[in-house]
Amino acid sequence: SQQGEEDPQALSIQEGENATMNCSYKTSINNLQWYRQNSGRGLVHLILIRSNEREKHSGRLRVTLDTSKKSSSLLITASRAADTASYFCAYLIKAAGNKLTFGGGTRVLVKP
Amino acid sequence: DSGVTQTPKHLITATGQRVTLRCSPRSGDLSVYWYQQSLDQGLQFLIQYYNGEERAKGNILERFSAQQFPDLHSELNLSSLELGDSALYFCASSERGGPDTQYFGPGTRLTVL
Repeated sequence: SQQGEEDPQALSIQEGENATMNCSYKTSINNLQWYRQNSGRGLVHLILIRSNEREKHSGRLRVTLDTSKKSSSLLITASRAADTASYFCAYLIKAAGNKLTFGGGTRVLVKP
Repeated sequence: DSGVTQTPKHLITATGQRVTLRCSPRSGDLSVYWYQQSLDQGLQFLIQYYNGEERAKGNILERFSAQQFPDLHSELNLSSLELGDSALYFCASSERGGPDTQYFGPGTRLTVL
């Protein structure tokens, strides 16, 4: 399967702590994107990192990409209860058009 | 709010029926994508249209079809519905057909009884 893998599947932390989740994929990619989904709702785009970039920041989010290891990580710093959601990585496979391939997601619970 | 709209929000129907899901992309976006999210399969790409033409196809069943109209809105038609078709169906849009950011709509939750 070409579906990406994310770990952990679930994460429970206290407010103020950092949350880190990882995504691995199997083939060459154009870019990798991270999305957030609140329970049963739409996907909110968080950040896009291109294959020639290694790190990107957006507010409390930090994304890294290691194309040699075919992996990416998303770090949420100083987490808040409102960060409780599922987080998905999604990537565009080269030579496969523009269809996003999604990871299985990480469910994050931030306890107040 | 991503700017992508989908209707209806919820749809409940019976097996064997046919339904149509509608999507309006963000203003100026030429590309529309359809995804299915189910508990067992996760999020899966179904099909992409760019400026009215089919651009890429994923795991879309033959019972499903889609089109993009001249005003760029898109419809996903699901026919001969089965229980296993119950899922969240998302539409996304992007500015061009290339490796851009895709912005997702709120989804249509389909329940097949």
